Amino acid sequence: SQTIHQWPATLVQPVGSPLSLECTVEGTSNPNLYWYRQAAGRGLQLLFYSVGIGQISSEVPQNLSASRPQDRQFILSSKKLLLSDSGFYLCAWSEGSLRNEQYFGPGTRLTVT
Amino acid sequence: AQKVTQAQTEISVVEKEDVTLDCVYETRDTTYYLFWYKQPPSGELVFLIRRNSFDEQNEISGRYSWNFQKSTSSFNFTITASQVVDSAVYFCALSENSGGYQKVTFGTGTKLQVIP
Repeated sequence: SQTIHQWPATLVQPVGSPLSLECTVEGTSNPNLYWYRQAAGRGLQLLFYSVGIGQISSEVPQNLSASRPQDRQFILSSKKLLLSDSGFYLCAWSEGSLRNEQYFGPGTRLTVT
Repeated sequence: AQKVTQAQTEISVVEKEDVTLDCVYETRDTTYYLFWYKQPPSGELVFLIRRNSFDEQNEISGRYSWNFQKSTSSFNFTITASQVVDSAVYFCALSENSGGYQKVTFGTGTKLQVIP
């Protein structure tokens, strides 16, 4: 069966510090991978998605970037965090395209102070 | 542009009551996909159901049922005999082809509280 891991679970970082959140998927090959942000515990905003190694699409301009160095690894980064980057970050995967259901990781709660 | 509206921000029901969560969508595509996800207090979203635009059959899974009506662009979710464990935020989502790739839009969610 497939599993998705995210770490860390929680993170408190000062403004201006760098960020690296990692997501890995097991039990599947060539998944589509996604990063979402959920602010104030409600709506989901798609940040990035990837259909393959090195292929990243950005949905909204922001202070963040994403990379996919391996087939089942997806990394969310920032060089300098802003207060507005605080939120709950969720990684997800799907087989093939977005017409298929997504499976989400446990999330990372980021607080920028 | 696609849009998903979950007009109910929060709902409270007493245990064993039935509750319906509304989802209304907008799309210009004839082929699209609808989803429901559950987000319990732990935070992880859990996939519940997927429907494609050509399948209007209603579905029942235990205490859960879904009513898909293309005529009113709605995909409502009913929980029968609610339980405390049903307390969560529920998201409706729409996926359609946009500019050559699939694009997904989530609603803002409905927070359901089941009171014992």
